[in-house]
Amino acid sequence: GAGVSQSPSNKVTEKGKDVELRCDPISGHTALYWYRQSLGQGLEFLIYFQGNSAPDKSGLPSDRFSAERTGGSVSTLTIQRTQQEDSAVYLCASSPWGAGAQETQYFGPGTRLLVL
Amino acid sequence: KQEVTQIPAALSVPEGENLVLNCSFTDSAIYNLQWFRQDPGKGLTSLLLIQSSQREQTSGRLNASLDKSSGRSTLYIAASQPGDSATYLCASMDSSYKLIFGSGTRLLVRP
Repeated sequence: GAGVSQSPSNKVTEKGKDVELRCDPISGHTALYWYRQSLGQGLEFLIYFQGNSAPDKSGLPSDRFSAERTGGSVSTLTIQRTQQEDSAVYLCASSPWGAGAQETQYFGPGTRLLVL
Repeated sequence: KQEVTQIPAALSVPEGENLVLNCSFTDSAIYNLQWFRQDPGKGLTSLLLIQSSQREQTSGRLNASLDKSSGRSTLYIAASQPGDSATYLCASMDSSYKLIFGSGTRLLVRP
């Protein structure tokens, strides 16, 4: 079946512009996660959705970052007034319930963001 | 705050060798420990998941162990092949269901 998909695969933007990154989770998966992978910081957690609500936003680095999820499916990560340090690969993952020690997360291919 | 460390950062071995990748974590209150593989320009592929009550998991030539008391996990790869070349990441899951990742071990298996 179809895995997690993300779009765009690559995005180049100018400093100060806003960007939207999209994630389509595996159909029927309740939980959705956003992570960021950058050269200096490794792979770090950003935000977690259970259905349409976000019980854990602790990883969002600043108030320029926001995310939403609608219909318990597609999620959008928005970065406002982008900065060069936002350049990274943004990875999305989903899991069936998000509430089990035996549950693995399935990752998408990522969106590579470059802020000039 | 959980910290996950992986050593070595990079490893180069000839084909056919058995090898061990190491992962350590500072907080033993984990739900599970997971190992992932990442190929260049690709997302992560789950390899093995060990629940906190388990000691090890096996899949084909891969075996992962977990020792919560010492805060360590190892990934054993038997009879390595060039196709095993990738970056291997370990991650701990805590009660909030988010993954905390190590910085990875970059593996090269030479033909």
